[in-house]
Amino acid sequence: GENVEQHPSTLSVQEGDSAVIKCTYSDSASNYFPWYKQELGKRPQLIIDIRSNVGEKKDQRIAVTLNKTAKHFSLHITETQPEDSAVYFCAATFDNDMRFGAGTRLTVKP
Amino acid sequence: DGGITQSPKYLFRKEGQNVTLSCEQNLNHDAMYWYRQDPGQGLRLIYYSQIVNDFQKGDIAEGYSVSREKKESFPLTVTSAQKNPTAFYLCASSIRTANTGELFFGEGSRLTVL
Repeated sequence: GENVEQHPSTLSVQEGDSAVIKCTYSDSASNYFPWYKQELGKRPQLIIDIRSNVGEKKDQRIAVTLNKTAKHFSLHITETQPEDSAVYFCAATFDNDMRFGAGTRLTVKP
Repeated sequence: DGGITQSPKYLFRKEGQNVTLSCEQNLNHDAMYWYRQDPGQGLRLIYYSQIVNDFQKGDIAEGYSVSREKKESFPLTVTSAQKNPTAFYLCASSIRTANTGELFFGEGSRLTVL
């Protein structure tokens, strides 16, 4: 079936450094790629998204890039802070549903 | 407040029992979804519904059933046929199909089979 692969599964960085999480997807027809952040014990919440007609999108310290030819997209967090520590999920739409990657546990060390 | 509400938050079940998880939204969203979350496996799609009285299986529908009799409600039944039901279950909704934008999640229901 359709799937989304996400790497790495865990990522530890020093406060102030950058973090990059990468995802690949299988369906070339996918056209919407959101990223969700899930803090411990809380619901996932959308932090940024990108559509297939755009190659890059930025919102303050976070940015997402999309390479449709290679079918991969990435999340970039700059100047990381301890409150960025959470599990991050990438996702891609397939027909009318959304499939998620396995998640990346990001730890930002003070 | 507008939002999506799941209940119960915690649920314990004996083996062989069916259990139903509630999901209600007052966002006037057409589409609703059920995901299962296990450690290290992310969110896996169980069922989704784009419109009242219609729903489709996701990747792991076996042992689960759903109904969509009302726009605002999408209950999930975990049947005794589900071999490993202990998990965290998340319900979500979106305005129309998943392609149209953000999924809004409930706070989840944690099911433990004793």
